[in-house]
This record gives sequence, C-alpha cells and structure tokens, in this order.
Amino acid sequence: EAGVVQSPRYKIIEKKQPVAFWCNPISGHNTLYWYLQNLGQGPELLIRYENEEAVDDSQLPKDRFSAERLKGVDSTLKIQPAELGDSAVYLCASSLGSFGSVDTQYFGPGTRLTVL
Amino acid sequence: AQKVTQAQTEISVVEKEDVTLDCVYETRDTTYYLFWYKQPPSGELVFLIRRNSFDEQNEISGRYSWNFQKSTSSFNFTITASQVVDSAVYFCALMQETSGSRLTFGEGTQLTVNP
Repeated sequence: EAGVVQSPRYKIIEKKQPVAFWCNPISGHNTLYWYLQNLGQGPELLIRYENEEAVDDSQLPKDRFSAERLKGVDSTLKIQPAELGDSAVYLCASSLGSFGSVDTQYFGPGTRLTVL
Repeated sequence: AQKVTQAQTEISVVEKEDVTLDCVYETRDTTYYLFWYKQPPSGELVFLIRRNSFDEQNEISGRYSWNFQKSTSSFNFTITASQVVDSAVYFCALMQETSGSRLTFGEGTQLTVNP
C-alpha cells in the first residue's frame, strides 16, 4: 500500500514569491493534516481536514497561508508571499478518520522549503 | 495545556549498546495517547508505537521496548543492541482527548549509533 505522497521534495524560492505544496494521502484516509517542522524542532500542526472540511486551522497564519482539499482527497498548501522565516519542512499526514476513535497519523516525506 | 519534553537533544552510542530515550509529558486530561515516531535522514516520520492512558503495560517489539509510567508522566523508549540503522531523530508525541486529533511533539532526540 502506498504511503502519503508529497511533492515537490525540495523547493527554493526568493522571498515574496508564491509557493505551493501538494499532498496525496493514503487511500481511504479521510483525515489530512499539514504540519510545519522548523529545524531542530518537532512538527507543529497547521491545519486538519476531515474530508473536505477544515476543522482545525487555528494555527494557520491566514494572512499568507492557505490550503484546500478539493473532493476530500488531495490537498494543496500555499504560501503567498513567502518570507525568509517560512524556510522549513512542510509535512503532510493522514489518518483513517474513524468516527469516535483516535487514529494513528502517517506522515509523508515532507517538502523542504528554502526562502532566499 | 499539553507539553512533551525530550531532555536529551543528542545521544551517541557504539553499535550493540543499549540506549534509552526519555520522554516526559504534561496533560490535564485523564484520557490521552502517547506516540513515538522515528525520523531518519530521508525526512519521513515513521510511526513506531501508540499507547493510551489506560494501558500501562510495557511493550516489546523486537529490539524496541517502551516503559509507560503514569506516576512519573513518562513514556521512555529503549533500543537494545543498537545498530547503525537506528540512527535517526526520535520524537515522542502526545494527543489529548480534548484536543481533537492534534499531536503535540517533543523537540526530538538525535540518536547516532557508531560502528
């Protein structure tokens, strides 16, 4: 079974440019997460989707970050415009999303963003 | 509030040594879940184990074992007879029942196993 797929794996852009990351979750997983991981730190949740609905986006900096999950499968995370401080690894994860239960989250390889 | 502390930033051992990675957590919930993930240089977080707050049984899986102690709010991870392939960053994480599916991670422990 294929794991969580993310692309691109690496991205280098200049500040003020836009950038987008794509995630394809494990087949059948209804819940999708985007995490931010700064160097030397653990991941921090940016947004969580249950199917198409963003149910927890309290940590997403909405002035420059946006996300969507059309049709409840793939998801895109966008930054516009990017700032130097956005340099980090952006991780996507998915879980079954079983009602009333706590599901384990499975992570993709991440996208390493460098903003120059 | 929930918090996870991994006090060991870096650990270096020689192959075949046993090594224990410490994890201390804080939560006000009575129902919560604890996880360990491994992050090799490739970057992908690999799920290792999950425990709920009502199951304090220690677990062993091959060379890996976990010691969950609610009395000290700790969930430590031991690798027996370490191997070079065990070199990675290991993260402990906490999920509170009241936080939805939000995982709170520690800052990770970089384990280096030298041949």
